Amino acid sequence: DAKTTQPNSMESNEEEPVHLPCNHSTISGTDYIHWYRQLPSQGPEYVIHGLTSNVNNRMASLAIAEDRKSSTLILHRATLRDAAVYYCILRDPSNSNSGYALNFGKGTSLLVTP
Amino acid sequence: ETGVTQTPRHLVMGMTNKKSLKCEQHLGHNAMYWYKQSAKKPLELMFVYSLEERVENNSVPSRFSPECPNSSHLFLHLHTLQPEDSALYLCASSQDSSSYNEQFFGPGTRLTVL
Repeated sequence: DAKTTQPNSMESNEEEPVHLPCNHSTISGTDYIHWYRQLPSQGPEYVIHGLTSNVNNRMASLAIAEDRKSSTLILHRATLRDAAVYYCILRDPSNSNSGYALNFGKGTSLLVTP
Repeated sequence: ETGVTQTPRHLVMGMTNKKSLKCEQHLGHNAMYWYKQSAKKPLELMFVYSLEERVENNSVPSRFSPECPNSSHLFLHLHTLQPEDSALYLCASSQDSSSYNEQFFGPGTRLTVL
């Protein structure tokens, strides 16, 4: 699987937008970009995923660069409950050798302050 | 609530004990997973079951023995564990084992081996 690079930590004020970056310069044309997050003392949860176009759902937005070498997860108004570790993961459904595991890496630890 | 439950939530055991972790999913999914999350390390995939058949075993020591009696239940049997096996054990499920599908995680079992 292609690798992703994320900052170790970020900090945001409550009710402010948060932009979480992810670099994936070796992404292949068939890799999907997935985001998961893990709140304290909980299992990871799916946030959003996309291929080429920007995506929106009730939790977040995903902005994908035109060359697909980077992407940004956008939380429009951070709440204290959004404090978590956010993981950017590449998945290739066309590659039978890609395995079943989600390669979480270290992710970005987001701190939200009141 | 993700639809994936795990019991117990916390477990302390000695190195000579035998215990089992249980996972149940109420989502009608066909694939189930065991992950291990050690302190300050990324999640590691241990086992994958698809339609009750084991499809991946990532070089996990034999002191960990999985069992999948049906598509809704997954067990991890533990015996003669070592202190370094202390970790958070996470169960997940997905519609099938395709790398495209979102995985839903349970809250995990925090295991301490004395």
